[in-house]
Amino acid sequence: EVQLLESGGGLVQPGGSLRLSCAASGFTFGINAMNWVRQAPGKGLEWVAVISGNLEKTHYADSVKGRFTISRDNSKNTLYLQMNSLTVEDTAVYYCAKDRGRYSESTGRGILDSWGQGTLVTVSS
Amino acid sequence: IVMTQSPATLSVSPGERATLSCRASQSVANFLAWYQQKPGQPPRLLIYDASTRAPGVPDTFSGSGSGTEFTLTISSLQSEDFAVYYCQQSYDWPPGAFGPGTKVDFK
Repeated sequence: EVQLLESGGGLVQPGGSLRLSCAASGFTFGINAMNWVRQAPGKGLEWVAVISGNLEKTHYADSVKGRFTISRDNSKNTLYLQMNSLTVEDTAVYYCAKDRGRYSESTGRGILDSWGQGTLVTVSS
Repeated sequence: IVMTQSPATLSVSPGERATLSCRASQSVANFLAWYQQKPGQPPRLLIYDASTRAPGVPDTFSGSGSGTEFTLTISSLQSEDFAVYYCQQSYDWPPGAFGPGTKVDFK
């Protein structure tokens, strides 16, 4: 059974930084592209970033480009999201999500077949 | 590519059929997925490639369409089906795009 468990959320001031983690189990972590998707309170889903299984490819939403960095450690089955220069607009539940595609060199097909429970990031002074 | 969904809210009685619509601003071929989200829970993949059910999804859920017009049909609403449903195109993945969602609630 696939399990994804996010951690690292919390309250941070505008301009601050936070690092999220997602511990994965139940599948061969290094094969699948992994994503971060966020959801502001009471709002819809917004894709944030993706990283290929072999770490070579990353892509970001325009709203976070230059401020967020997605990374992964396949030896630890863990996905990360380093978030810098945070603004109140970054307040959201952040989910990690596994892509259904099984090609380590690609960023997947965008079919997100497993999701973690999410971790809440609140940016406020 | 901008995704729109209609209606924003759909009020249905248990046992009734629900039809949700999703429209893309340009063709996304069949690169369209549907997700279900219940309060306090993460999204769950229901349908991908416009009409393929994800493992474990009951056959009361069906997807159809291609190009710019898509439909999610729930043939007979059960109590556990009341939720928000999002469509997502992955034609230009990444980034793809989610629709704003349709909330299915009790009539």
